[in-house]
Amino acid sequence: EAEVAQSPRYKITEKSQAVAFWCDPISGHATLYWYRQILGQGPELLVQFQDESVVDDSQLPKDRFSAERLKGVDSTLKIQPAELGDSAMYLCASSPDRSQETQYFGPGTRLLVL
Amino acid sequence: RKEVEQDPGPFNVPEGATVAFNCTYSNSASQSFFWYRQDCRKEPKLLMSVYSSGNEDGRFTAQLNRASQYISLLIRDSKLSDSATYLCVVHTGGFKTIFGAGTRLFVKA
Repeated sequence: EAEVAQSPRYKITEKSQAVAFWCDPISGHATLYWYRQILGQGPELLVQFQDESVVDDSQLPKDRFSAERLKGVDSTLKIQPAELGDSAMYLCASSPDRSQETQYFGPGTRLLVL
Repeated sequence: RKEVEQDPGPFNVPEGATVAFNCTYSNSASQSFFWYRQDCRKEPKLLMSVYSSGNEDGRFTAQLNRASQYISLLIRDSKLSDSATYLCVVHTGGFKTIFGAGTRLFVKA
């Protein structure tokens, strides 16, 4: 069964450092999502791509976060500089198209900022 | 008011019990509705879609009430393995996805 891949699985960093997360969606999935999930809360959408284009980044803190999907396949989410409040699980998901009938999630990257 | 609100948890039930979760949404233009399951420290996984006519998958039944803007999930004959967080998900117009905060369920022997 095809899966969404994410790396690293865990990341510990100090505040003010830069961190980057990588996601490889299920092959052929045009839509890719990055979510942030704080413990005890539901996932919050940070950015949504359709192929290589951003279709929604309204909740992305653009002063420190950036995301790209240059070839419309895998994607990178970057935080620079990291802050204590960024500690969370970062989830990547993909779906075949924007109708979003089902989103398939990767295992996530758990970030701890010290 | 949050766009998607769920019953506060946790729900603690014995094996074999029937438990129901509700979820309300604020955007009347919302188009699609889902329940996802999330195990501790794992990623969310689709449990079932929610259709206007209601749908059933084994011990799980989901219903949608558009007039009152809520969806529900009913679990019959609860199993220990049902212990998880259940996330209500709403897709609004414009392809926006909103997750609820989740309801935690603990099923005890």
